[in-house]
Amino acid sequence: GAVVSQHPSRVICKSGTSVKIECRSLDFQATTMFWYRQFPKKSLMLMATSNEGSKATYEQGVEKDKFLINHASLTLSTLTVTSAHPEDSSFYICSAELAGVASDTQYFGPGTRLTVL
Amino acid sequence: KQEVTQIPAALSVPEGENLVLNCSFTDSAIYNLQWFRQDPGKGLTSLLLIQSSQREQTSGRLNASLDKSSGRSTLYIAASQPGDSATYLCAVRRRGSSNTGKLIFGQGTTLQVKP
Repeated sequence: GAVVSQHPSRVICKSGTSVKIECRSLDFQATTMFWYRQFPKKSLMLMATSNEGSKATYEQGVEKDKFLINHASLTLSTLTVTSAHPEDSSFYICSAELAGVASDTQYFGPGTRLTVL
Repeated sequence: KQEVTQIPAALSVPEGENLVLNCSFTDSAIYNLQWFRQDPGKGLTSLLLIQSSQREQTSGRLNASLDKSSGRSTLYIAASQPGDSATYLCAVRRRGSSNTGKLIFGQGTTLQVKP
């Protein structure tokens, strides 16, 4: 089946540093990838939609200069949290949409736990 | 604006019991509805996907129904097992949007099945 990986699975960083999270579709091509954020005991909140070769579409209230998204190939999207602060600590999950499939199913990665000290 | 609500937020049942999780949505113009399972600190596993034209989907001990007119979906779990303990999320996908991939998630129901 379709597998999505994320790297790293968890990261701890100091306040003010930048952190890059990778999302890869391992066995399929994904024209669209999505980035979500999840707070403890809360639901997933869509941050942005990433299309290969074009600029990401950010949801209302999400700072595009804070959360940089690059979708350079059909199998890789990256999320960079710039100048991270403790309030950016969260669980970040990506998903990838199988290109050309009528069901338009999204396949989710295992998530990345970010802790900013 | 589409809103998705799941009730109850938490549920604890003894092993072997049949149970129903509820999901409601405010806008019936959906493309599909999906149920996911999330284990603590993990990503999402898709359980069942129901297209807007369908009424229900079944997989093993799981059965999901969809009633678009009333804006409701249920996930029925038969003969629950301790391994079913997890958070269950429902999500609806919008229809007719320029960003048709967008999923709107409910807050989830955390299920505990006691041995």
